[in-house]
Amino acid sequence: NAGVMQNPRHLVRRRGQEARLRCSPMKGHSHVYWYRQLPEEGLKFMVYLQKENIIDESGMPKERFSAEFPKEGPSILRIQQVVRGDSAAYFCASSPSVAGNYNEQFFGPGTRLTVL
Amino acid sequence: SQQGEEDPQALSIQEGENATMNCSYKTSINNLQWYRQNSGRGLVHLILIRSNEREKHSGRLRVTLDTSKKSSSLLITASRAADTASYFCATYSQGGKLIFGQGTELSVKP
Repeated sequence: NAGVMQNPRHLVRRRGQEARLRCSPMKGHSHVYWYRQLPEEGLKFMVYLQKENIIDESGMPKERFSAEFPKEGPSILRIQQVVRGDSAAYFCASSPSVAGNYNEQFFGPGTRLTVL
Repeated sequence: SQQGEEDPQALSIQEGENATMNCSYKTSINNLQWYRQNSGRGLVHLILIRSNEREKHSGRLRVTLDTSKKSSSLLITASRAADTASYFCATYSQGGKLIFGQGTELSVKP
């Protein structure tokens, strides 16, 4: 049973380009969470999705960032017109149902985005 | 507001010594988790302690939880150089999102 997969592992973009980060949850998991880790900081929640629905996007910047989790295929975190401040590690986690009392979130290896 | 706050921010010890990291949180919780992150790598789940538990062991790890003080501690006994990493506590907020602390950077010198 493969764990949470993220690709690419490393992504380099120039300012103004678009970045697309992909996350394939563990088999049987329908809940996906995205987190961002800026250098020297802890992880910060960005968005929580279920299949075809955004449940909580309270941690997402208001502009340039979007996320989706289609019925088929991986979850995508899209950053348009990247700026240097977007350079960070982006982690995806999945759980079989709402994470909380008895359900853990399982983390992927992360995508490290560098904006030149 | 930040849910989990660890201290110390950085800890340097010799191999074989014990390492203790503390975490404080602000709101009521159902459980608290500890994660390890090696430099430039992903998160590894270490241990989860539920709010009705006071202490939990896993190998060389011992976690305590004091809900009256809203604090938890992670003890690594007989530390090894391979334990060098950042350690984070995390609690669940509404909707299942995890709130992480800033982390403790542990350095174990051989």
